[in-house]
Amino acid sequence: QQPVQSPQAVILREGEDAVINCSSSKALYSVHWYRQKHGEAPVFLMILLKGGEQKGHDKISASFNEKKQQSSLYLTASQLSYSGTYFCGTETSGTYKYIFGTGTRLKVLA
Amino acid sequence: DTEVTQTPKHLVMGMTNKKSLKCEQHMGHRAMYWYKQKAKKPPELMFVYSYEKLSINESVPSRFSPECPNSSLLNLHLHALQPEDSALYLCASSQPSTGSPLHFGNGTRLTVT
Repeated sequence: QQPVQSPQAVILREGEDAVINCSSSKALYSVHWYRQKHGEAPVFLMILLKGGEQKGHDKISASFNEKKQQSSLYLTASQLSYSGTYFCGTETSGTYKYIFGTGTRLKVLA
Repeated sequence: DTEVTQTPKHLVMGMTNKKSLKCEQHMGHRAMYWYKQKAKKPPELMFVYSYEKLSINESVPSRFSPECPNSSLLNLHLHALQPEDSALYLCASSQPSTGSPLHFGNGTRLTVT
């Protein structure tokens, strides 16, 4: 039931791009993306809504493929500050059961 | 400044102790959550309150007892915990509607000795 993220971990050089995927076996109505730095709480990045709507945040954008039940997070021209663990989050509609994906650890090197 | 405040930041307790974790939010959110997070793992849902009523209990052992005194406050009472309960405990809040993201507090780092 937990969404599966890929890759599990990725190392980048500053300025490189990365894609993180979040796949679910259940129907997704909305997906949120969060970043968590070591020892801190997850911070909300963006929301993806049913219908493939794409929302952007600086050089981070995302897409939602309803047919594939998958969301992808795109990090363009990565910065050192992008390092952390990325989680997708979703709620089973109308239940308040909000769960997180398996997580992707991203490290950006200078 | 975080809009969800958790206290204490750190807690060390013995297996026979009774302690409480506290969470407060003033964003007018009517859904509040407790999550447990182990190192290198995603947050794991424990409890959800919506409109001050317990909506979800994810089969959490009775040594964890949640309480929601009002729409702004959420407590987690701890009693007779085990060392494996050591973790980061996160409180979150949201609007109780599909599509609303969670806003997290900074968490309480709990160590059970």
